[in-house]
Amino acid sequence: DARVTQTPRHKVTEMGQEVTMRCQPILGHNTVFWYRQTMMQGLELLAYFRNRAPLDDSGMPKDRFSAEMPDATLATLKIQPSEPRDSAVYFCASGLMGVLQPQHFGDGTRLSIL
Amino acid sequence: QQQVKQSPQSLIVQKGGIPIINCAYENTAFDYFPWYQQFPGKGPALLIAIRPDVSEKKEGRFTISFNKSAKQFSLHIMDSQPGDSATYFCAVVNDYKLSFGAGTTVTVRA
Repeated sequence: DARVTQTPRHKVTEMGQEVTMRCQPILGHNTVFWYRQTMMQGLELLAYFRNRAPLDDSGMPKDRFSAEMPDATLATLKIQPSEPRDSAVYFCASGLMGVLQPQHFGDGTRLSIL
Repeated sequence: QQQVKQSPQSLIVQKGGIPIINCAYENTAFDYFPWYQQFPGKGPALLIAIRPDVSEKKEGRFTISFNKSAKQFSLHIMDSQPGDSATYFCAVVNDYKLSFGAGTTVTVRA
């Protein structure tokens, strides 16, 4: 059963440190999404890639967040420098192109910034 | 700005009951209306979805009712089971973009 794999599952670090979250999309999927989930804001789209090209990162704080896809099997989300308000669960999802295609979510990275 | 409003925030039913979750939207440009189910410690997973040209869709014990003129859609869980206890999110899709409702935590008591 193909799955989106995210690492690490949990990360605790101090304010100001760089954080890198990784995602392995399902093989063959050509769209990748990054979401953030918090109690206050719910699930928010941070970034969207199609065929490894970033098409929408309007949901991301540009000054500290960056998202890349070095190759088709790896997507990364970096926060530098991290702040306590970045504490959240970060999800990666992948899918095939097309409005009716479902997004398949990983199990997330739970990030705590002290 | 939330594209879709979801209610209630939480819901408790007895086994066999029918929890109903409602969602309302404003923008008429949406292509697709999915529901996602999320268990603690897991990512959301697609449960069922409906296109705007259909008024009802059933998959197993899950039914979506869609009212285009009222801009509302709802999820019914028939013969609910304790294993259905989870958080349910409605969503609206415009092109690639999924916008989620705030979520409803459903608890099914045995």
